[in-house]
Amino acid sequence: DIQITQSPSSLSASVGDRVTITCRTNQSIRTYLNWYQQTPGKAPKLLIFGASSLQSGIPSRFSGSGSGTEFTLTISSLQPEDFATYYCQQSHNIPRTFGQGTKVEIK
Amino acid sequence: QVQLVESGGDLVKPGGSLRLSCAASGFAFNDYYMSWVRQAPGKGLEWISSISLSSSYINYADSVKGRFTISRDNAQNSLYLQMNSLRAEDTAVYYCARGDQFLGYWGQGTLVTVSS
Repeated sequence: DIQITQSPSSLSASVGDRVTITCRTNQSIRTYLNWYQQTPGKAPKLLIFGASSLQSGIPSRFSGSGSGTEFTLTISSLQPEDFATYYCQQSHNIPRTFGQGTKVEIK
Repeated sequence: QVQLVESGGDLVKPGGSLRLSCAASGFAFNDYYMSWVRQAPGKGLEWISSISLSSSYINYADSVKGRFTISRDNAQNSLYLQMNSLRAEDTAVYYCARGDQFLGYWGQGTLVTVSS
């Protein structure tokens, strides 16, 4: 199975801050990496697919980059509605593994 | 608009069985792979199964292989998950989701609790 290491596991930030979350895999997954956002009590929502493609309806302050084994989700200017847990997921191999999640909290 | 509505979650004893359903609307169901993902209380997301358009390709996580069966009825726009030999560690919210390479839409989830 492809192992994903997501970091940090949590972070505190203020509205307007630039936030970066990283996922590393133990083997190359080219650009088969997706990012999801989950708020408490809600289903996850797709933000980014294929490492850098923005899902329809997602604000442009979200961006994704990377290929191979290292990937980044960046929120350019954190908004109040962005406080949530973020997960990466690889879709290169079966099983489709998720990262452990990053909880973004208000500073 | 795309809607996915799960049902069938319940409290069940260890060793028991349960069948989850997911009713899809707002898109051409038979044009998409479908998946099940679960989330144990306070934990992260775990992919458990996916199924191709005509059910030709089916995959499972090792944690459920041999116990769970995914299926779909394209005429009824429905996805199913038959869960047998349930264990306490299967306790989770179960989500159905559209897609396989990426999960573009998710249902609201249905809670399965396995406890004596």
